Amino acid sequence: EDKVVQSPLSLVVHEGDTVTLNCSYEVTNFRSLLWYKQEKKAPTFLFMLTSSGIEKKSGRLSSILDKKELSSILNITATQTGDSAIYLCAVSGNYGQNFVFGPGTRLSVLP
Amino acid sequence: EAGVAQSPRYKIIEKRQSVAFWCNPISGHATLYWYQQILGQGPKLLIQFQNNGVVDDSQLPKDRFSAERLKGVDSTLKIQPAKLEDSAVYLCASSEPDRGTTEAFFGQGTRLTVV
Repeated sequence: EDKVVQSPLSLVVHEGDTVTLNCSYEVTNFRSLLWYKQEKKAPTFLFMLTSSGIEKKSGRLSSILDKKELSSILNITATQTGDSAIYLCAVSGNYGQNFVFGPGTRLSVLP
Repeated sequence: EAGVAQSPRYKIIEKRQSVAFWCNPISGHATLYWYQQILGQGPKLLIQFQNNGVVDDSQLPKDRFSAERLKGVDSTLKIQPAKLEDSAVYLCASSEPDRGTTEAFFGQGTRLTVV
């Protein structure tokens, strides 16, 4: 059974800090790993990482896929209060039939 | 581009009652997903459609949950009868025809409270 584990489950930092969120996975026939940000109800897409695209960056956010270690990290530099959210990691396997989500990391950025 | 539309946004029902949720995916997205997200947990797939056919419903509690996507566009998810443990946010998502490298786009979700 496909499985996604995230750590830490909860994190509290102050504005300006840099954070690293972790995601590890077990999936049959890995196709992609996705990061989402969930502030209220709807997860919003951040990054997709695949065998052909193992590193992505957008502004203060960046993510790397380590296929050997079956893991990924999401880095956020110079955090802002608006970064407070739940960050979800999901993987697609089995020829991309569906997305399996981890439990999420709840990030709180204090002013 | 219009996003995934869901309704209602909130619903409160008593246990043993029935409830239905509606989802309209992004135009042209053949794949539609229903996820259940219990407070403090990640979304869990209930059912996945490809056009109007079911691809995966292995985690759908079929004794009380049902879903359909009759014309390959809109979808409804029904719970009958509801239990207290069904309290959750029900998220609908859609994606383009799968090639293994397309993301899913989510609707705003329906927060269900069963009392």
